[in-house]
Amino acid sequence: AQSVAQPEDQVNVAEGNPLTVKCTYSVSGNPYLFWYVQYPNRGLQFLLKYITGDNLVKGSYGFEAEFNKSQTSFHLKKPSALVSDSALYFCAVSQETGGFKTIFGAGTRLFVKA
Amino acid sequence: GAVVSQHPSWVICKSGTSVKIECRSLDFQATTMFWYRQFPKQSLMLMATSNEGSKATYEQGVEKDKFLINHASLTLSTLTVTSAHPEDSSFYICSATPLGITGNTIYFGEGSWLTVV
Repeated sequence: AQSVAQPEDQVNVAEGNPLTVKCTYSVSGNPYLFWYVQYPNRGLQFLLKYITGDNLVKGSYGFEAEFNKSQTSFHLKKPSALVSDSALYFCAVSQETGGFKTIFGAGTRLFVKA
Repeated sequence: GAVVSQHPSWVICKSGTSVKIECRSLDFQATTMFWYRQFPKQSLMLMATSNEGSKATYEQGVEKDKFLINHASLTLSTLTVTSAHPEDSSFYICSATPLGITGNTIYFGEGSWLTVV
């Protein structure tokens, strides 16, 4: 069975500093990995995905994530945080088998202080 | 980009009544859609996989007689919460993957807030 872990409930960072939101996964085959962001009372917005190819994936709003197969991780990063990045971030994994059923991590709340 | 629309965005219903939430893929077809439930400050929990033209596949612990799912066409799936109770109050989100595209992004609706009073 596939699973996703986001070990941090909350990440605090000062504006302008780099940020990292951690994610590890477990699947039986090749993973499809995603990051989504959720603002209060809203649905999810897609940030980026890893399917195959380059381990470093660049996405929306200056975010990027690095796929590390040996550590089964897919940490989300941004070189310089903005106050407007404050939101709830979800890591997710799916597989081609099962019709891309997507499993989400518990979410990490990011607070960026001005 | 691909758009998934949910309707209604907000609904309040009386305890004991049923309420239907629609999920539409506006510019693509999807044989499979997914329904999630999210409690405040928690993650999304997959409820069921909605398959066009066949019965939905429910996750363990989800009552299929209470959460009726119908996937009548390649662009529409509906979730009906039957005999709703206050504990069914939640944020319900659907998602869909464009037909025939391997590994493509899963697109989410904006969600539907259900409050049962």
